[in-house]
Amino acid sequence: ETGVTQTPRHLVMGMTNKKSLKCEQHLGHNAMYWYKQSAKKPLELMFVYNFKEQTENNSVPSRFSPECPNSSHLFLHLHTLQPEDSALYLCASSQGAGFQETQYFGPGTRLLVL
Amino acid sequence: DAKTTQPTSMDCAEGRAANLPCNHSTISGNEYVYWYRQIHSQGPQYIIHGLKNNETNEMASLIITEDRKSSTLILPHATLRDTAVYYCIVFVMNSGNTPLVFGKGTRLSVIA
Repeated sequence: ETGVTQTPRHLVMGMTNKKSLKCEQHLGHNAMYWYKQSAKKPLELMFVYNFKEQTENNSVPSRFSPECPNSSHLFLHLHTLQPEDSALYLCASSQGAGFQETQYFGPGTRLLVL
Repeated sequence: DAKTTQPTSMDCAEGRAANLPCNHSTISGNEYVYWYRQIHSQGPQYIIHGLKNNETNEMASLIITEDRKSSTLILPHATLRDTAVYYCIVFVMNSGNTPLVFGKGTRLSVIA
């Protein structure tokens, strides 16, 4: 238990569906992240939020839309996804977004797009 | 791009020490070496980090060479539950403050 929770843990959706992934951290951290991990690929950073402000968008397609209403919650809104978007989506948090910060990861949401 | 190179896979007998190497020959003076691991179907887990000196905690030891161009993560008594992908990471500074870049890691298999 790292203090970072993600829901749902598993999600199956069609290409025309709209769904949202939720992440919550109970660590009092100020920075939160979304990562994507496809099969046999390295972790890919998607978005970074620091004090609720987006500081990094790593060339992510617009069908992925993040939302950070406060420092403890992070959402990833999904719409019109493609089968190749099927992956494990990981949320992480850290005290700050600086280069020395240790990130704590949630268990991930395993997404399957049909 | 990841700034580290690691072997793709390694095996280790249960109860023996697992020594996982990492090369980071282009590391900058202010960059730390971090190690994470990811057990199958779980999120990455922080293990240890260091700058220049060797470090030890309840999970592992980190040995960094004097020139800082390589390091070794040591799991002193590997168990079956240590089977995972181990990531060696050097922080990359850019305008967006991206703190971590994950490479492909080393898949460690602990064998009974």
